[in-house]
Amino acid sequence: DTAVSQTPKYLVTQMGNDKSIKCEQNLGHDTMYWYKQDSKKFLKIMFSYNNKELIINETVPNRFSPKSPDKAHLNLHINSLELGDSAVYFCASTPGQNTEAFFGQGTRLTVV
Amino acid sequence: GQSLEQPSEVTAVEGAIVQINCTYQTSGFYGLSWYQQHDGGAPTFLSYNALDGLEETGRFSSFLSRSDSYGYLLLQELQMKDSASYFCAVTYGGYNKLIFGAGTRLAVHP
Repeated sequence: DTAVSQTPKYLVTQMGNDKSIKCEQNLGHDTMYWYKQDSKKFLKIMFSYNNKELIINETVPNRFSPKSPDKAHLNLHINSLELGDSAVYFCASTPGQNTEAFFGQGTRLTVV
Repeated sequence: GQSLEQPSEVTAVEGAIVQINCTYQTSGFYGLSWYQQHDGGAPTFLSYNALDGLEETGRFSSFLSRSDSYGYLLLQELQMKDSASYFCAVTYGGYNKLIFGAGTRLAVHP
């Protein structure tokens, strides 16, 4: 069983489109994150949710909207995609006493 | 704001020892962790330090000095498969805030 799973793994889409990335964890963790990793490999935090409550909302365009229907899921919806949104997006989760983050496989988003 | 600094690149030969340093500035610090990421893969957890001192896990060790806001990852008996990016990360302001440094790319040569 995969601990943190993201879908899709690859996403190629045109500018202006709206797309969603789904994330699910079966570890029973309280906290889930979205990170964006650009071509320079920097892992930039976007959002953090704890038990469905938004904890961190970094300086991310309003076009990005996370949704957590329950503590096992954290989805990312992106409106009006731009070329600069092209990156790998990672979902991660941590237990209450954060010692180890578990990452999903990543979603490589390419906007053309 | 929160910030972490680590070298961008390190090169070493097989069998050698390499140390990757990380300095951080953060409020409400809880702990420093290290992650490894191979090209095309996801970050995977290596170690976590909440208290000062050295933690050893096989060939990898991690050190933390809270008073100096400094830590390092020590990799011994380097192998080619250790070629990867290594990220330090801090947990701060509660257990649900985790941010990463820019990563250090380690290249191991024969």
